[in-house]
Amino acid sequence: EAGVAQSPRYKIIEKRQSVAFWCNPISGHATLYWYQQILGQGPKLLIQFQNNGVVDDSQLPKDRFSAERLKGVDSTLKIQPAKLEDSAVYLCASSLVGTGGNYGYTFGSGTRLTVV
Amino acid sequence: TQLLEQSPQFLSIQEGENLTVYCNSSSVFSSLQWYRQEPGEGPVLLVTVVTGGEVKKLKRLTFQFGDARKDSSLHITAAQPGDTGLYLCAGEVDGATNKLIFGTGTLLAVQP
Repeated sequence: EAGVAQSPRYKIIEKRQSVAFWCNPISGHATLYWYQQILGQGPKLLIQFQNNGVVDDSQLPKDRFSAERLKGVDSTLKIQPAKLEDSAVYLCASSLVGTGGNYGYTFGSGTRLTVV
Repeated sequence: TQLLEQSPQFLSIQEGENLTVYCNSSSVFSSLQWYRQEPGEGPVLLVTVVTGGEVKKLKRLTFQFGDARKDSSLHITAAQPGDTGLYLCAGEVDGATNKLIFGTGTLLAVQP
């Protein structure tokens, strides 16, 4: 089966600019996650969707980050305006509903964002 | 705030050596997963452990879930250069929502 698709792979922007990332999960996976990973650290959950509804966005900096999942399939994550500390890899993952503990997450390759 | 601390943070060993990575928390998890991440890629699931005290083996890798389901360990026997990568443990907070909390990571380098 096709994996989780993310684009772009790399992005370099200046601070205060805006940027958007796209994710297409595995077909049939109802749950979608966006994680932020600082180099060499574990991923931090930004937002979790189940179908097109938000399950958890408690760690999303809502003054500058937004995310949507229209029609319960692909998703976009936006940052506006970007700050230097937003430089990180943004990972998208998906899983089957109610089976995260048994099947785990499937991650995309991520988008490496550099804010200069 | 639930935290998963991994130790060591960095590990550089020679091919053929054994090693153990630890994942500790004060919280109880429904299940615990281990992932390996290579540069430029997303984490890839290695194993899921669900029952306290459970031991799973994947070739040269042995995973154990603590009896109280608060900690876990990963033991690698006769490490190979292909084992190089960032190892991440992840605890499932709530089986109903599939939410995972990731550990701080252990960066392993196996020298040939």
